[in-house]
This record gives sequence, structure tokens and C-alpha cells, in this order.
Amino acid sequence: ETGVTQTPRHLVMGMTNKKSLKCEQHLGHNAMYWYKQSAKKPLELMFVYSLEERVENNSVPSRFSPECPNSSHLFLHLHTLQPEDSALYLCASSQLAAITGELFFGEGSRLTVL
Amino acid sequence: DAKTTQPTSMDCAEGRAANLPCNHSTISGNEYVYWYRQIHSQGPQYIIHGLKNNETNEMASLIITEDRKSSTLILPHATLRDTAVYYCIVRVANNDYKLSFGAGTTVTVRA
Repeated sequence: ETGVTQTPRHLVMGMTNKKSLKCEQHLGHNAMYWYKQSAKKPLELMFVYSLEERVENNSVPSRFSPECPNSSHLFLHLHTLQPEDSALYLCASSQLAAITGELFFGEGSRLTVL
Repeated sequence: DAKTTQPTSMDCAEGRAANLPCNHSTISGNEYVYWYRQIHSQGPQYIIHGLKNNETNEMASLIITEDRKSSTLILPHATLRDTAVYYCIVRVANNDYKLSFGAGTTVTVRA
């Protein structure tokens, strides 16, 4: 248990569906992240929110839409995805300006796009 | 532009120490060395970090060379549950929120 909870753990969706991934952190952190991990590839940073403001968007297609309503919750809204978007989506949180600043990751949401 | 270089894979025997090398020859003076690991199909887990002194915690030890161009993560008594991908990352602590993961080293602990 890392203090970062992701739901659902597994999701199968068609290319025309709209779904959302949810992340909740119970650590009192002020930054949250979405990473994507495709098969046999390194983790790719997608979005970063600091104090609920998006501070990083790594050229992610608009079919992925993040939302951070407060410092404890982060969503990734998905619409008209492609099969190549199938991957493990990982949420993380950290305390910016902390001495160590390590990231705490959730268990991930395994997405399959048919 | 990879900041670290790690071997692709390595095996080690259960109960023995596992020594994982990492080269970071272009590390800056204010960059820390971080280690994470990722057990299959789970999120990465923080292990340890250091600046220039050797560090030890309940999981591992980190040995950083005097010139800081390389480091070694030591798992003192490897168990089967230590089988994972280990990532060596350099970053500026507490004001750089970006953590760039490379391919890491796939460590397989064998009975």
C-alpha cells in the first residue's frame, strides 16, 4: 500500500467509448502525475499537476484529457482512443520542495483498447 | 538524451548480494542519484537516493564514487521477491518534478 489508489485496475474499451481513470492520494502531497507504460517501453511522463495547476503536458494527444479537481484527486478522461493507446497508466504523487521529493506510485490501470 | 547508463539485465543468486551499476558521467553538482524498482505489472517503488555520500536504508545501500560519475546499488541479501526492473535516475531534488525513467536493469534472482 503506497497511499496512492488507482481505479479501475483493469479497463477494456472500444475506440468510440468514453471512460475515465481515477487516482486518489492519501499522503497530503501537492503534486500528481500521469505516466504511460507501453509494453517493452520505458515509462513516459504524460501530465504533471502542481498545486492543482497543470505544469507539464508532454505532447499528449487531445484524446487524453486530465483533470485535477483538488490536490488529492486526479483523473484521466479517455475518448476515441486507438488500439496503440493500450498500456499501463500509472498515477504518482510527490511533495514538491520536500528534501527527498520521491514519487509514490499507484498500482496502475491496465487499459486495453479494442 | 539519456543521463544514465545501466546494463540491460543481470542474474543473481538468492541470498547473495546483488550489485547494480549505473553510469552518470554528465551528472551536475546539484543532481541526486535516485533508484526505483518496478516489480512486474506494479507501479515503481522508491528505493534510495543520494548526493555524494554513501547511503543505506532498510532496502539497500547506495555507493557513489568520489567523482560522482557512477554509482552502485547493493541489495545485501537478494530474495526472489527482489526480481524486478531497477531504474537509476539523476534529477535535481525538491525543485525538479520530472523523473525520467530509462530502460533500467532487469534483475532476476534465482533460487
